[in-house]
Amino acid sequence: AQSVTQLGSHVSVSEGALVLLRCNYSSSVPPYLFWYVQYPNQGLQLLLKYTTGATLVKGINGFEAEFKKSETSFHLTKPSAHMSDAAEYFCAVSTSGSYIPTFGRGTSLIVHP
Amino acid sequence: NAGVMQNPRHLVRRRGQEARLRCSPMKGHSHVYWYRQLPEEGLKFMVYLQKENIIDESGMPKERFSAEFPKEGPSILRIQQVVRGDSAAYFCASSPQGDSGNTIYFGEGSWLTVV
Repeated sequence: AQSVTQLGSHVSVSEGALVLLRCNYSSSVPPYLFWYVQYPNQGLQLLLKYTTGATLVKGINGFEAEFKKSETSFHLTKPSAHMSDAAEYFCAVSTSGSYIPTFGRGTSLIVHP
Repeated sequence: NAGVMQNPRHLVRRRGQEARLRCSPMKGHSHVYWYRQLPEEGLKFMVYLQKENIIDESGMPKERFSAEFPKEGPSILRIQQVVRGDSAAYFCASSPQGDSGNTIYFGEGSWLTVV
C-alpha cells in the first residue's frame, strides 16, 4: 500500500521568503512522486514529478523538490515566495504496477505582503 | 483547448434526484480517473476506467454511485438518489496509458451541491 503525509495543513510565509512544503510518503517499492497545485475553484496542475534519475527535480514557477529515499521525503521548495503562489498544494505517490496516484490532504500556502 | 473537459462545472440537485457528471479526456488519452474532494479531506480516489472497462472501483461507494467510459463519448459518473453528503467537487483526470510513471491531467472539476 502507498500513502502520503503532508505536514501542516496551512503554511504562511511573507512575500520574498523561502517556501517549504513537506511531504513524506510510504511505499514498499520505489515510488513515483508528484506535486500538484490547485488555485481556487480550479483543477489540479502538475508542478513537477520524480520518476527515476536525478533526485532534485525542477518544476514550473520556480519550484523544485528533492527525493530523499533515506528520509522517505519529497519536500517542495521555492527560494522566494510570490503573492501568486498562494494556492493549495498536493503531494501524490504512485508505484510501479499501481496506476492510481494517492494524494495527500493538501497544504494551503498563504503569502503575506 | 485540448485539456480534460468536465461538465457541468456547477450542478445543484435536490435530495433524491440523480446527478450525472461528464468527462472528456485529453486527446489521445484512453484512461480516466475520478476523484472526489471534500473540504479539509484532500482528494479521494473513486474509480479508474479504460474505454469499455472498469479497472479499479475500490474507492466507489457500494450504492448509488456508478461510472462508465463507453467506446464513444465521455466518461460519466452517475450518482443516484443524491444526499447532502454527496455535495463535493468531483474531479476527472486522464492519462495516455496505464503507466504509473505517467502524469495524470486534471479537469476543472464539477461542483455538486445537494439541497
